[in-house]
Amino acid sequence: TQLLEQSPQFLSIQEGENLTVYCNSSSVFSSLQWYRQEPGEGPVLLVTVVTGGEVKKLKRLTFQFGDARKDSSLHITAAQPGDTGLYLCAGAQGAQKLVFGQGTRLTINP
Amino acid sequence: DAMVIQNPRYQVTQFGKPVTLSCSQTLNHNVMYWYQQKSSQAPKLLFHYYDKDFNNEADTPDNFQSRRPNTSFCFLDIRSPGLGDAAMYLCATSKSGSVGFEQFFGPGTRLTVL
Repeated sequence: TQLLEQSPQFLSIQEGENLTVYCNSSSVFSSLQWYRQEPGEGPVLLVTVVTGGEVKKLKRLTFQFGDARKDSSLHITAAQPGDTGLYLCAGAQGAQKLVFGQGTRLTINP
Repeated sequence: DAMVIQNPRYQVTQFGKPVTLSCSQTLNHNVMYWYQQKSSQAPKLLFHYYDKDFNNEADTPDNFQSRRPNTSFCFLDIRSPGLGDAAMYLCATSKSGSVGFEQFFGPGTRLTVL
C-alpha cells in the first residue's frame, strides 16, 4: 500500500507569515491533489499536479510536484486568517482511488 | 452549478437503529465514493462504485452497505450503528479517464449515535 506522509501535522502562525507544508512518499504517484477542508464541511479541491517538477500557483498558494512524482509541497505567502483549515494531500492509487496524507491542521492568528 | 449534495447534513440515531445517508450528484460522474472521517483525521474510504460495479474496501465492516440505484444517487446504509460509527460521512465523485483522477466531495453528513 502506498503511503503519504504530511508534515507538519499542526501549524499555528501569525497573519502575514509564510509557510510550507510537505507531502512525502516512497511511491510514485501518477497525480497528486491538494484539498482544503473547513470544520463541518467536505474537502474542497485546490489543485491537481500531474507532471514531475510541475509548479502551479493559486493566488498566494504555490504547489509543486517533485521531479520523481513522489512528493509535493504547498507554500502559502502572507498567510491570512481565511487560510485556516485542514490541508490534505492525496495521491492517485491505481485507476480510481486516492491515498490521503494525515492532513495538516493550519491556524492563522490575526 | 454542478455539485455533490448530501442529505441530511446532520443525522442523529440511536445505538443499533438503522440509518441511511444519501448522496446525489449533478456532475454526471461515473464513479462515486463513500468515506468515513473522524475528527481531524484523513478520510477513510469505505467503498466505491465504478459505474454499477461495487468495490468494497477489505477493512470496511459488514455493518456498512451501499446502494446505487442510478448514476446520480448513492446511499450509505448503516445496519446497526455503534458508538464508534459516529463520524463525518463524505460522498465523493470522479470521472474515469480524467487526467488527474480528481475527486469532488460533498459537504458531508455528521452522524451522531446516542
